[in-house]
Amino acid sequence: SQQGEEDPQALSIQEGENATMNCSYKTSINNLQWYRQNSGRGLVHLILIRSNEREKHSGRLRVTLDTSKKSSSLLITASRAADTASYFCATDAGGTGGYNKLIFGAGTRLAVHP
Amino acid sequence: DGGITQSPKYLFRKEGQNVTLSCEQNLNHDAMYWYRQDPGQGLRLIYYSQIVNDFQKGDIAEGYSVSREKKESFPLTVTSAQKNPTAFYLCASSGAWTVNTEAFFGQGTRLTVV
Repeated sequence: SQQGEEDPQALSIQEGENATMNCSYKTSINNLQWYRQNSGRGLVHLILIRSNEREKHSGRLRVTLDTSKKSSSLLITASRAADTASYFCATDAGGTGGYNKLIFGAGTRLAVHP
Repeated sequence: DGGITQSPKYLFRKEGQNVTLSCEQNLNHDAMYWYRQDPGQGLRLIYYSQIVNDFQKGDIAEGYSVSREKKESFPLTVTSAQKNPTAFYLCASSGAWTVNTEAFFGQGTRLTVV
């Protein structure tokens, strides 16, 4: 079963606008991570936020985490056509024997139009 | 050039055949993962491994097998017991025994049953 659920499933915006994607999860986590996937390619790590952090920034990316609501959001500011991709949240809740186990959500497909 | 390499990029399998997907990393990572991605969907965890000669089942392990004889290598065999193997397969690696670490992905193998 998937741990994270992204919302919306698809998002279409114009260049220069901000894009906000949300992720909800079910169990306690060590951290939450956001990844980007261009069509037919592997995933690229964007940002990691620890369970004791509430907000983190990286360039045009802003991630928030609310552990009481078991939710996170990814904000991309001043979007560009090159930001067009699928975005996934992944939670690290620990697997068998305390091993790291990354579980991904279904993703948000972002289309940024020139 | 450090990274994670999957081969082949495209693979065709006849009904009833076993096929093996290769995943090699030179990042000195302890943890390695196999995910399956269906069109327009998120990633589902098949198997993961934190150390040599040890691996754990993920959410959809049935019809798949893995081995971890070397730290650098984590091959995935899709057996004839997997009834619907057509999908995009992604391998990833990360540092283990360390909480809060990102995963690095290969470029994927697209498997098609013919």
